[in-house]
Amino acid sequence: DGGITQSPKYLFRKEGQNVTLSCEQNLNHDAMYWYRQDPGQGLRLIYYSQIVNDFQKGDIAEGYSVSREKKESFPLTVTSAQKNPTAFYLCASSIVPLAATGAFFGQGTRLTVV
Amino acid sequence: GQQLNQSPQSMFIQEGEDVSMNCTSSSIFNTWLWYKQDPGEGPVLLIALYKAGELTSNGRLTAQFGITRKDSFLNISASIPSDVGIYFCAGRAYNTGTASKLTFGTGTRLQVTL
Repeated sequence: DGGITQSPKYLFRKEGQNVTLSCEQNLNHDAMYWYRQDPGQGLRLIYYSQIVNDFQKGDIAEGYSVSREKKESFPLTVTSAQKNPTAFYLCASSIVPLAATGAFFGQGTRLTVV
Repeated sequence: GQQLNQSPQSMFIQEGEDVSMNCTSSSIFNTWLWYKQDPGEGPVLLIALYKAGELTSNGRLTAQFGITRKDSFLNISASIPSDVGIYFCAGRAYNTGTASKLTFGTGTRLQVTL
């Protein structure tokens, strides 16, 4: 079945450590996205990529980094520079330009800093 | 970064009632999407709209793309318990060119009582 897979579903990190969240899609979508969701909040865009080896900062990119070496994969690294990393992270993908199918989301990764 | 204004923030309704929610933006959008999110899961696309004035249905759900292109509406008829969740609007601004960047609303939390 085609879809987007995020792993792990739950992740715990000690303060000062970097951590990488995985996102893989087999929908053959060119565009991929990372969003952050805080309790009671909407989704805020961290980074997005419309093509392999290219990505753009979203609204809250500070303290995060990404890579897009393969069309299927768009990992997100939460660095120690991110002041408040505890949140629910969502990965999505879409065709380009964004069209009738909208963006498809993964199941999310809940990151907790301990 | 911009977030769309979505209202109401939360709703408590009785099973069988109709529900209306809306989303407004200060800028023109050329795509409106409506998503539903269950607790701890990624959002799922409900309806996509691409033309001003467009009215689209998906079962008991009906959404409209506002004539001004700055708003959108979602109606749910004859609500049932499984309609519980958070509903998000999302839009692609007119001035993003071919970019696939989506902006999300703050969400409407729907709770249905028997």
